[in-house]
Amino acid sequence: AQSVSQHNHHVILSEAASLELGCNYSYGGTVNLFWYVQYPGQHLQLLLKYFSGDPLVKGIKGFEAEFIKSKFSFNLRKPSVQWSDTAEYFCAVLPSNFGNEKLTFGTGTRLTIIP
Amino acid sequence: NAGVTQTPKFRVLKTGQSMTLLCAQDMNHEYMYWYRQDPGMGLRLIHYSVGEGTTAKGEVPDGYNVSRLKKQNFLLGLESAAPSQTSVYFCASSYSIWGANVLTFGAGSRLTVL
Repeated sequence: AQSVSQHNHHVILSEAASLELGCNYSYGGTVNLFWYVQYPGQHLQLLLKYFSGDPLVKGIKGFEAEFIKSKFSFNLRKPSVQWSDTAEYFCAVLPSNFGNEKLTFGTGTRLTIIP
Repeated sequence: NAGVTQTPKFRVLKTGQSMTLLCAQDMNHEYMYWYRQDPGMGLRLIHYSVGEGTTAKGEVPDGYNVSRLKKQNFLLGLESAAPSQTSVYFCASSYSIWGANVLTFGAGSRLTVL
């Protein structure tokens, strides 16, 4: 079975700092990859996704993620964070050609941005 | 368009009590899911449904039952609550089961079992 590791449990940054959140997965085949975000008091929503093609994926609110197959990684980046980026971020992996019942989430990274 | 709505948002139960969480979606999605979120564990799938009248077990189904009598509703029941079921529960739905159709989540229901 696949698994997802998010090693950063809580990240604290100042506004305008650059962000990189790590996500590593274990699965031998092809995968679909996702980043979801949960803002305080709100529901989880999709930030970006990778299915195939260009390994550098751009999402909403200036976020991007790079799929590095050789490293089994899908790290989330943003060049300059804002206070409104304070949220919890979840990486998820889904083996290709499987349904959403096989979607596996990481443990999440709580991001706190200090004004 | 409300998306996915969960009720109640908060609930405190005593061990052995029963309760039902309701999930309603207004997007005409065929597929619905119940997850639980625990510290250090991420989101884990409890049960899911691929259509009205059908349900299936996910990763952690023990102690829960579900029903999908109407396409727009997916109920999660706890027959005899245990402290280990203290968690935040998320409902989600998708147009299709396939990964290309991403999940739309509800805001969550926080359950505490004393």
